Formats: sequence, structure tokens, C-alpha cells
Amino acid sequence: ETGVTQSPTHLIKTRGQQVTLRCSSQSGHNTVSWYQQALGQGPQFIFQYYREEENGRGNFPPRFSGLQFPNYSSELNVNALELDDSALYLCASSPRLGADTQYFGPGTRLTVL
Amino acid sequence: EDKVVQSPLSLVVHEGDTVTLNCSYEVTNFRSLLWYKQEKKAPTFLFMLTSSGIEKKSGRLSSILDKKELFSILNITATQTGDSAIYLCAVQVAGGGADGLTFGKGTHLIIQP
Repeated sequence: ETGVTQSPTHLIKTRGQQVTLRCSSQSGHNTVSWYQQALGQGPQFIFQYYREEENGRGNFPPRFSGLQFPNYSSELNVNALELDDSALYLCASSPRLGADTQYFGPGTRLTVL
Repeated sequence: EDKVVQSPLSLVVHEGDTVTLNCSYEVTNFRSLLWYKQEKKAPTFLFMLTSSGIEKKSGRLSSILDKKELFSILNITATQTGDSAIYLCAVQVAGGGADGLTFGKGTHLIIQP
């Protein structure tokens, strides 16, 4: 059973650019959540996808958007990058909505210059 | 707004010491409290607590929840250098909508040989 994987590992972008981060959920998991973890902070919930639909969103602007595909993999897109978007972006999957816990991937480190 | 506060934010102890990490929370519709260990990137699951007063134990780690006073503690006995990590506390709420976790800032634990 493979765990949650994310790509790329690291990414450097400049202000105003757009970025796409990818996540493959753990086998058998249909729910994916995305988190942003700034340096020295705990992860902050961005949004969750369940069966290809957004199932709730944290306090993030619309330039943060996502997709989930039929195989339950997911993408996080961020438009018009700002310096404060520099962070570790974590993807977590769970076997169903309302599952007891979420299993995290290794994250993508995004640096915005 | 849901809130999770961890203390201390950082802690340096010597190998063999016992440590207690604290987590207090204020959330609507509490469902569960989770502890994660974050060494490099991916937070790894330690415990999930839903019932007050029932200790969860795994080797040298144990945790307990007090739903009346709205806090949890994570104990690590006979610490080892491999216990050095950031320990994250998160709360999950019940009801409809997303299963997004609300995290505290974490406790950065350093175990010195």
C-alpha cells in the first residue's frame, strides 16, 4: 500500500506567477485535504475534496483553487502568487469523509521571490 | 473562531528526561483531538482522543484528554534523541462540512544527548 505522495518536492516562483501542486492519495482513500504551513506555524486548512467536489474551505482567498480527479488524486492551484504564499503545502488523505484521521504526504516547499 | 493553543512552543531537555506537552482548545462541536509528530515534513499520526479521561498509550508516549477543562497532554518518558521533533495538536469538529483539522503552532522538542 503506497502512502500519500506529492510533487514537486521544492519549487521557486516569483510574485504574480501561478503554481500547480500535485498529490496522490493513499490507495483506497477518496478524500483529500490541503494545508498550508508557514515557517514556525501549524498547518492551516485550505480546502477539502471528496469524490471530485470541494467539500469545504478554510479562510483562504479564491486565488487558491483545487481539483480532484476520478482516481482521487488532487491538484492545488495558486494564482497571482504573493510573498506570503511561501510555505510548506501539505496534502492529507483519508479513506472516507468523516474518517478518524488524515494521513499526510511529505509536502511541497514553495518559495515565492 | 476555533482555536488550539500549545505550550510550551519550544523545549530543550536531556536524554532520559520525561516531558509533558500541553494543548488547550476552544472549538464549537468538538469531535476529536489528534496528536501528530513532525520530523522533517510529513506529520505522522500519534493518537486520536475522543473520550475524556481515557489514556492512550504507545510505548513511551501517552496522551489524555480532559473535555471539561478543554485540554490534552502528551507525555514522553525516558526521552531519546529520536524524539526530537515538532509535536502538533489538532482538533476536528463534528457536523456537516469539511473535516479540516485546526492545528496549534506546535511544540518544538529538542532532546540533547
